[in-house]
Amino acid sequence: DVKVTQSSRYLVKRTGEKVFLECVQDMDHENMFWYRQDPGLGLRLIYFSYDVKMKEKGDIPEGYSVSREKKERFSLILESASTNQTSMYLCASSESGTGFADTQYFGPGTRLTVL
Amino acid sequence: RKEVEQDPGPFNVPEGATVAFNCTYSNSASQSFFWYRQDCRKEPKLLMSVYSSGNEDGRFTAQLNRASQYISLLIRDSKLSDSATYLCVVNGGYSSASKIIFGSGTRLSIRP
Repeated sequence: DVKVTQSSRYLVKRTGEKVFLECVQDMDHENMFWYRQDPGLGLRLIYFSYDVKMKEKGDIPEGYSVSREKKERFSLILESASTNQTSMYLCASSESGTGFADTQYFGPGTRLTVL
Repeated sequence: RKEVEQDPGPFNVPEGATVAFNCTYSNSASQSFFWYRQDCRKEPKLLMSVYSSGNEDGRFTAQLNRASQYISLLIRDSKLSDSATYLCVVNGGYSSASKIIFGSGTRLSIRP
């Protein structure tokens, strides 16, 4: 079974703090994704990566950055957390070079609250 | 207009009923279509892919209508365990740089 793990299930941070969300997958998938999920808005893509050290912006990259130094690990960084970044963050991975026609496997999510 | 639209529901149906919901998409170049299921406070999981010829998996049937740009999900003989949010997912175009777009989800509640 594919396993995608995220470093925290719940996180509470203060405005202005730097926040790191870690995601690890154990299936040697090329593609990794970070989404946020908000009520009524569905999942929105923040960033994705199709290879080590490669990254591309999704729909809502502002206020976020990412890092992929190893194939199995994809980190989401909030440089200076703000209250409007309070959300559920979901990491996903998929295999194959096409990236988007394949099943995405999701981690359990991190519910981030920024006070 | 949203790129992928779903009726948010909730659909509240009795056990054993048949229920169907649609999802419309705006990009006629979309190539790949999926239904994901998300249980309360859990992550989304793939339910089924939607092929041009339709796709059936047990009690679940997914169909694609390219002319009208929508996909549908039909659940027959619904079970209590089918209660979840169903997310429509569309690949926004041809190339690998295209983005998968998630609908906001349709909430389904099956009552005894």
